[in-house]
Amino acid sequence: EPEVTQTPSHQVTQMGQEVILRCVPISNHLYFYWYRQILGQKVEFLVSFYNNEISEKSEIFDDQFSVERPDGSNFTLKIRSTKLEDSAMYFCASSGTGAGNTIYFGEGSWLTVV
Amino acid sequence: SQQGEEDPQALSIQEGENATMNCSYKTSINNLQWYRQNSGRGLVHLILIRSNEREKHSGRLRVTLDTSKKSSSLLITASRAADTASYFCATDPLMDSSYKLIFGSGTRLLVRP
Repeated sequence: EPEVTQTPSHQVTQMGQEVILRCVPISNHLYFYWYRQILGQKVEFLVSFYNNEISEKSEIFDDQFSVERPDGSNFTLKIRSTKLEDSAMYFCASSGTGAGNTIYFGEGSWLTVV
Repeated sequence: SQQGEEDPQALSIQEGENATMNCSYKTSINNLQWYRQNSGRGLVHLILIRSNEREKHSGRLRVTLDTSKKSSSLLITASRAADTASYFCATDPLMDSSYKLIFGSGTRLLVRP
C-alpha cells in the first residue's frame, strides 16, 4: 500500500538552529499537509499546500516556519530558528483530490530542541 | 469549545470484549475520520464517514455518525491485545476555506490479554 515517508525519524537540535524535515507524499496525491503533536497533546494542523502554494496555515505556523516542494516529489518543512517549544512530533500527510478524501499520514519526525 | 472531543479519555477492557469510543464535535462537517496511533508512532487511517452517511463497517470496526447530535462512535468488536492504542476522531469542518482535519484529544485504549 502506498505510504507517506518522512525523514529523519528523530532529530535533536540546539535552540536557534535551523531544521528541515522531509517528506515524500503518496505519488499521485495533490494536497500536502504538516501537523504536529506535542507530547501528550492533540494533533494540531500547521499548514496545507496545493498547487505549489500554501492553501491555509494555522496560528502556529508563524514566520519561523516555511514549506517547500522543491522537486516534485519531496515536501519539506523548515523551522528557521528553533525554540524549545518546537519540540514535538511532526507529521506530514497527503490526500488525493482534497476535500472529502482520506488524509494519509507518515510515521512522523520527532524533533527535540535542547 | 473544541472540535472533536472523544470520550472516554481512557478505556481498559479484556481481550475479546467490545470497545466503544465516542466523539463529539461543535460545527457542521463534511466528513469525519477515525485514526489509530500506537505509542510514539504515526497516525493510521481507519475509516472515513461522510456527513450524509450514518454507518460504515470495516472488518471489526463499525463507525456511526449522527449529524443531528454532532457525534460519532467507533466500535471495535472482539478486541485483541494488538488493538491497544490511542484512537482519534478528526473532523473536516464544513465552513473552512480549505480541506484540513481538526483532531480530538483521543481515547487511550488498553486491551488486556
